[in-house]
Amino acid sequence: RKEVEQDPGPFNVPEGATVAFNCTYSNSASQSFFWYRQDCRKEPKLLMSVYSSGNEDGRFTAQLNRASQYISLLIRDSKLSDSATYLCVVRKAGQGGKLIFGQGTELSVKP
Amino acid sequence: GAGVSQSPRYKVAKRGQDVALRCDPISGHVSLFWYQQALGQGPEFLTYFQNEAQLDKSGLPSDRFFAERPEGSVSTLKIQRTQQEDSAVYLCASSLLSPANNNEQFFGPGTRLTVL
Repeated sequence: RKEVEQDPGPFNVPEGATVAFNCTYSNSASQSFFWYRQDCRKEPKLLMSVYSSGNEDGRFTAQLNRASQYISLLIRDSKLSDSATYLCVVRKAGQGGKLIFGQGTELSVKP
Repeated sequence: GAGVSQSPRYKVAKRGQDVALRCDPISGHVSLFWYQQALGQGPEFLTYFQNEAQLDKSGLPSDRFFAERPEGSVSTLKIQRTQQEDSAVYLCASSLLSPANNNEQFFGPGTRLTVL
């Protein structure tokens, strides 16, 4: 079983839709949590960190449930430019900072 | 300023050849990471340097993989006797300080290796 699990999708949604991605992690020693965005044939880029209290950045809201080992990302009012793969990422304490990535969830926003 | 750069961007190798992949981190960044990303998968950790010291190489898949960062800046990932299963994108990332400070990792564009 992978340490970080995501539904690979693809999620096909119309412009303006709200879409939610979920992710679970198996290691309770996980310390930091992130969502990365990766465009086709490009490098991953940090979208946002995820905090226990939940955090929002414009149209993007991230939530963390440590008890359930569950992370979510909500995108409101989807834009065509949101089309990408969204990677759920965790970092464990005492592991030197290495990032553990999920498989990624592919999002395609259609006009 | 310049981001992380990697070369070559694309490499085709015949099975059994040795390859060397280069990473130029952001100037002044202490930490450097290598990841391997197979098609349709997320990146997987290979190895980590803090300055010139290789502190974690637990992700290297076999002894055919070797990485170095002799002067604490540029790093090279070498793969000996390449196999078809080595075909992947190899990503390099750097961060300003040691990871204990929870710094963001900035990724390079990757080297796409195809082994025939």
